[in-house]
Order: sequence, then C-alpha cells, then structure tokens
Amino acid sequence: QKEVEQDPGPLSVPEGAIVSLNCTYSNSAFQYFMWYRQYSRKGPELLMYTYSSGNKEDGRFTAQVDKSSKYISLFIRDSQPSDSATYLCAMSAGGGATNKLIFGTGTLLAVQP
Amino acid sequence: KAGVTQTPRYLIKTRGQQVTLSCSPISGHRSVSWYQQTPGQGLQFLFEYFSETQRNKGNFPGRFSGRQFSNSRSEMNVSTLELGDSALYLCASSLALEGSYGYTFGSGTRLTVV
Repeated sequence: QKEVEQDPGPLSVPEGAIVSLNCTYSNSAFQYFMWYRQYSRKGPELLMYTYSSGNKEDGRFTAQVDKSSKYISLFIRDSQPSDSATYLCAMSAGGGATNKLIFGTGTLLAVQP
Repeated sequence: KAGVTQTPRYLIKTRGQQVTLSCSPISGHRSVSWYQQTPGQGLQFLFEYFSETQRNKGNFPGRFSGRQFSNSRSEMNVSTLELGDSALYLCASSLALEGSYGYTFGSGTRLTVV
C-alpha cells in the first residue's frame, strides 16, 4: 500500500462547477499538507499549504485536513478552464529534520468551457 | 525574484552514459531537493541537501548521486544510464529544513535515454 493515495482521474467538469479533489494517507507522522498544481511541461506550483488539521481558504481554493481520518481535500469553486492541470497532494513529517515530501500520483482535471 | 533554475531543460543520452543536471535555488534558500517524475510512479524523492550536507535519501540505486555547493547550487549525477531513467527530474528549494515552508519547484530537466 502506498503512503499516499490519490484518485488519478481524469476528472472533467463544466466551467463554473465545484471541484473536489481528495487524498488519503497512512503515515500518522505527517504534519504538513500541500496541494500543488502542475501544468503540462512545467514543474509543480504550490497552491495551498496547511499545518495539522483544519481548513484554509485562498480565493476560490479551500484546503481541508482531517488528521483523525487521514484524509485531505482541495475544493475549487467557480472552476475555470485555466484550472485545467494535474493536481498533486503532498505531505511531509517535517519536524526540523527534513523537507522530504511524499506525493500522491496526481489527479488530471479538465474544465470544459 | 528569480525562481528555481534548472539546466539543461532537455537531454538525450545513450544507455551506459552518465549525465549531470544542475539546479540553482531561489536566492536565500538553503534546502534543495531532487525528485524524479515518471508517468507510472509519479513524483519520487531522490535526495535532499541542506548546507552542503545530504540530509535524506530516497530509495534509488547508488548510480544516482548529488551534491550541494556553498552557494546552495546543487547538481545531481546519474551514471551508467538505463532506459528506465528516462524521466522529468525536478529540483525544489525551500527556505529551511523544517517542512513548514513548502517547496518551490523548477521546470525540470527532461532526460531521455535511448
């Protein structure tokens, strides 16, 4: 079993839809949770960062972390064609000793105009 | 400010050759990590450097090595290339070795082994 599981999709939605992306994990030591967006032929771009459990909102994006269920989510409101990309969840135990990230396999999202 | 710069962007090498990839982190960032990205395995951690010291290493064979210089620039080397080494190699930098800052990634070096 992988440490981080992510539905690979692909996910296709109409413009304006609410998108829900999810990851589950098995390592209870993870404290830092991130979502990256990766466009074709580009490196991943940090979208959202959350420490421990809770919600974080940034514009149309909301990240949720539920450590008790080992489950994280990213919601995209009013999705736009420019949101079409691969979304990667990533996690780190941190602790002052490492920045090593464990990534999900990524979900390919297509927002249709 | 300038982002993470990786050179070259594209490489084609023959099996058995060796290759060196370069990464210049964001100014002031002292933590540099390398990841391999393939369609089948996704992003996999290679190694991590901080202040010229390797702090962590992933599950890759010894053919994969790296180093970090005093100016935080980093290089990774792959010797005796195999077809399976074809991948996008990503470098990422972070302010500190703490996990709380997230990473900024470069655009990667796409290596093709023929």
